[in-house]
Amino acid sequence: KAGVTQTPRYLIKTRGQQVTLSCSPISGHRSVSWYQQTPGQGLQFLFEYFSETQRNKGNFPGRFSGRQFSNSRSEMNVSTLELGDSALYLCASSLEGRTEEKLFFGSGTQLSVL
Amino acid sequence: AQSVSQHNHHVILSEAASLELGCNYSYGGTVNLFWYVQYPGQHLQLLLKYFSGDPLVKGIKGFEAEFIKSKFSFNLRKPSVQWSDTAEYFCAVNPSGGYQKVTFGTGTKLQVIP
Repeated sequence: KAGVTQTPRYLIKTRGQQVTLSCSPISGHRSVSWYQQTPGQGLQFLFEYFSETQRNKGNFPGRFSGRQFSNSRSEMNVSTLELGDSALYLCASSLEGRTEEKLFFGSGTQLSVL
Repeated sequence: AQSVSQHNHHVILSEAASLELGCNYSYGGTVNLFWYVQYPGQHLQLLLKYFSGDPLVKGIKGFEAEFIKSKFSFNLRKPSVQWSDTAEYFCAVNPSGGYQKVTFGTGTKLQVIP
């Protein structure tokens, strides 16, 4: 079974631009969640989607948004990029998104904002 | 809101030494607890989890963790580490009920010296 796939693997953008990251979950998984990983801050929860609906959201500004498609694939978008948005963005999937389920992570998208 | 503290940021051990990584969480209700591991060059993967029952849980590769509710702790242990255990370890908490909104600790980098 293929794992969680994230594209692209690396991105370099400049301040003020916007970026879209993509995540394909494991086949059969309907919940997709996104995390921002930075050195010293660990992983911070961005949002979680299930059946094309955002069910939970972390404490990030409105510049961070996402969506999920009917095939469970998900995208996240960051508008008006800032230097502090440089991070590894991780996507994780699980079957139903229940709190006791384990998460399956992708390799992440490394975003550098110059 | 929940929070997780991992007090050891960087641990260096010799092979065969015993390991204990501390994890404390803050949340007023029932929680699901996890340890995830990230080996060099690999994606995050589940080491073990607790959501009910026996507070001593066993995971992969000889790891175990004990949930002590009165101390809000979920420390990770291994009696004898190997060089291949070199990795970054993340403790995580997810309130029971509801949906995925995992809070991770900042991680502990373990270096095992042959």
